[in-house]
Amino acid sequence: DAKTTQPTSMDCAEGRAANLPCNHSTISGNEYVYWYRQIHSQGPQYIIHGLKNNETNEMASLIITEDRKSSTLILPHATLRDTAVYYCIVLGVGGSNYKLTFGKGTLLTVNP
Amino acid sequence: DAGVTQSPTHLIKTRGQHVTLRCSPISGHKSVSWYQQVLGQGPQFIFQYYEKEERGRGNFPDRFSARQFPNYSSELNVNALLLGDSALYLCASSWAAGGDSPLHFGNGTRLTVT
Repeated sequence: DAKTTQPTSMDCAEGRAANLPCNHSTISGNEYVYWYRQIHSQGPQYIIHGLKNNETNEMASLIITEDRKSSTLILPHATLRDTAVYYCIVLGVGGSNYKLTFGKGTLLTVNP
Repeated sequence: DAGVTQSPTHLIKTRGQHVTLRCSPISGHKSVSWYQQVLGQGPQFIFQYYEKEERGRGNFPDRFSARQFPNYSSELNVNALLLGDSALYLCASSWAAGGDSPLHFGNGTRLTVT
């Protein structure tokens, strides 16, 4: 699976959009971009994933560049409860081994 | 709908003992994976099971084993516990074993080895 690079930490004001970047320059054509977040002492929470097209769900939007070498997770109106570590993960399709490789992620702190 | 449930939530064991952790996947999910998360680090892959067969194994010693039952629930077993096995053990389920099937995690079992 391709490696990802994320900033160590970011701050965001409550009510504003939080834009979390992720670089995955070695991504292959059949690899998905996944985003998870983890709030202290809880299991990782699935947020969103995509292959080529931009995706949106009730939690967030995922913007993938045309060359697929980077992506941005957008939380449109951040709240204090969105403070968490956010993980960007690249995952291949098919095969017999389906595992998520977590890096260090980005600590997003939403400030009042 | 119930999410992934794990039991127990907390456990204290002594070095050398054996432990069994349990996981019930989301209804309809046929794949279960186990992860270990040591304090301050991201989760590390241990096992994946799909339709009761082992599909993948991470870089963990043979002291770690798992199985999946006909109802798709799963157990993780760890023998001869070491202090370094102290961690949050996470179970995740998905409806399939492929890349377009998100994993959904439980809140884990906190294991402390003394």
